[in-house]
Formats: sequence, C-alpha cells, structure tokens
Amino acid sequence: SQKIEQNSEALNIQEGKTATLTCNYTNYSPAYLQWYRQDPGRGPVFLLLIRENEKEKRKERLKVTFDTTLKQSLFHITASQPADSATYLCAGDFSGGYQKVTFGTGTKLQVIP
Amino acid sequence: DAMVIQNPRYQVTQFGKPVTLSCSQTLNHNVMYWYQQKSSQAPKLLFHYYDKDFNNEADTPDNFQSRRPNTSFCFLDIRSPGLGDAAMYLCATSRDLKQYFGPGTRLTVL
Repeated sequence: SQKIEQNSEALNIQEGKTATLTCNYTNYSPAYLQWYRQDPGRGPVFLLLIRENEKEKRKERLKVTFDTTLKQSLFHITASQPADSATYLCAGDFSGGYQKVTFGTGTKLQVIP
Repeated sequence: DAMVIQNPRYQVTQFGKPVTLSCSQTLNHNVMYWYQQKSSQAPKLLFHYYDKDFNNEADTPDNFQSRRPNTSFCFLDIRSPGLGDAAMYLCATSRDLKQYFGPGTRLTVL
C-alpha cells in the first residue's frame, strides 16, 4: 500500500534560519501532496497543496517542492520564528479521485529564539 | 466564526460503554471525514462521505459506525469502546481538495 514517510525526529532550528522538512512517498506518485500544521491537542490546519505536475509552490514564507524522480516533497519555512514551532504533516492523495489522503506521522519543528 | 465544530472536546467513557462523538460544519461542504489520531501517529481515516455516499475504510473496525443525517452534521458511534480506542478523533470537511479540520475530541476509555 502507498505510504507517506516523514522524519520522526524533531527538527531544531535557530530563529531566522530556513527550516526544511522532508516527505517521501512509496511506489507511484500521488495526484497531489498537501502540508498541514498541527499544534498540540488541535486539529491540523491546511497550509499548501502541490500537484503532481507542479515543481514548486509558494505562499508568503512557505515553499513546497514536488520531485517525482526522487519521490519526495520538501517544505521550507524561511525566516523561521518561534511561532512556527509545531508539527508539520505531509499528506498525499493516492485514491484516484476520491479525495482521500494518506498522512505521514509528521515532523516536529522547534524554532529556538 | 467556527467552521468545523466538534463536541465534546473531551469525552471519558468506560470500557464497553457506547459513546457518540458529534461534528457540525457551517461551510456547507459536501465531503466530510472522520479520522482517528493516536499520540505521535498519523491521522488514520475511518470514514468518508461525499454528500450522502458513505465509504468506510477496509480496516475500520466494525465497532465504529457513522451517520450523516444532513450536510451539516456527522456522528461517530463507538459501540463497545476498548482501551485501544483511546485517541483524538478528528472531523474534517473538504472543498477544492483542502481539508478543514475541527479541534478534535479527545476520548479516554477507563
């Protein structure tokens, strides 16, 4: 079955630096990948979506890439701030049009002042 | 202006005692989902509605049921909760491929 894999180890980064989070998938490409932010005890919040035929998307300080050769998406937060500290979930739609996504376990980001 | 509302936020039940979790939405979205998320794990899809079309995932236990009486409301019933069902239960809607999650209900099973 299709899997989304994220580094389960926490990522610690200094304030002001660029944080880069990795999402890998197995077998065939999803129609699209999404990134969500999740704070402790809360539901995920949608951040960005990138389709299989897109290389890069940007939104303010956020950037996401989709590399079908490497089977990987990278999520970047530039000029990181302590308020960016959260768990970031990657999700991919392998359902063939049923709008169902498979989530990864997330990577916890800690931005140190 | 809450969009996806889940009640209660915290639910405590006893082993084997039926429990119902509620979700409502003000977004008028056709698609709704129920997810189960355990600590440090990925949200796991339990059920999925597209309008009234209902889909349960192949590995969703029979102990879990869901109802969607209208567009705005959705319920998750756990008929005989076990200790392994303790988790955060997340309701979400979808439009234009973006999912909008509620705050979740934290279920404790004693």
